[in-house]
Amino acid sequence: GIQVEQSPPDLILQEGANSTLRCNFSDSVNNLQWFHQNPWGQLINLFYIPSGTKQNGRLSATTVATERYSLLYISSSQTTDSGVYFCAVGSNYQLIWGAGTKLIIKP
Amino acid sequence: GAGVSQSPRYKVTKRGQDVALRCDPISGHVSLYWYRQALGQGPEFLTYFNYEAQQDKSGLPNDRFSAERPEGSISTLTIQRTEQRDSAMYRCASSSGTGAGGYTFGSGTRLTVV
Repeated sequence: GIQVEQSPPDLILQEGANSTLRCNFSDSVNNLQWFHQNPWGQLINLFYIPSGTKQNGRLSATTVATERYSLLYISSSQTTDSGVYFCAVGSNYQLIWGAGTKLIIKP
Repeated sequence: GAGVSQSPRYKVTKRGQDVALRCDPISGHVSLYWYRQALGQGPEFLTYFNYEAQQDKSGLPNDRFSAERPEGSISTLTIQRTEQRDSAMYRCASSSGTGAGGYTFGSGTRLTVV
């Protein structure tokens, strides 16, 4: 089955810093999503991005499907960005999830 | 509704009892998914519905687990004869596309089997 690797596993930053989170996957996919799980456990969909580039405020994502990776960029981090960021990929409806990147933003 | 609604939020049950977890997806979303999430891990796929049809149940751990979506809207995940290893967060998601598009997750049901 598809393997999903996320890096780094942990990231601690000061408020205002920028960060790049990476997701590598082992096979071609037509479904790739980024999620943020906040400290209260809610899973929030950030991007549906099987290919290309999208931006939403301070967040943007790029997926290079031919090279089997996706990047999530967070600019001007805020404390509310803390939590776990998951990349999930699949050929259709069944998503395989990475282990996540745990992000801590210090005030 | 405006979001995906799951009930109950918390369920504590004794080993051997049956439990039913409910999911009310976003109105008009044709696809509905059930996932299970252990602490500190990403969600794990359980089953997928397209309208009322259960298209894939390959992620259900064993035959004590079943799910239905009889009218293509609300879905119920049932666990019979619960065991302690069934304790987890059970999450439901829906999407507008047929097995595609961004998922919207509900807040989940935290199941504890004692």
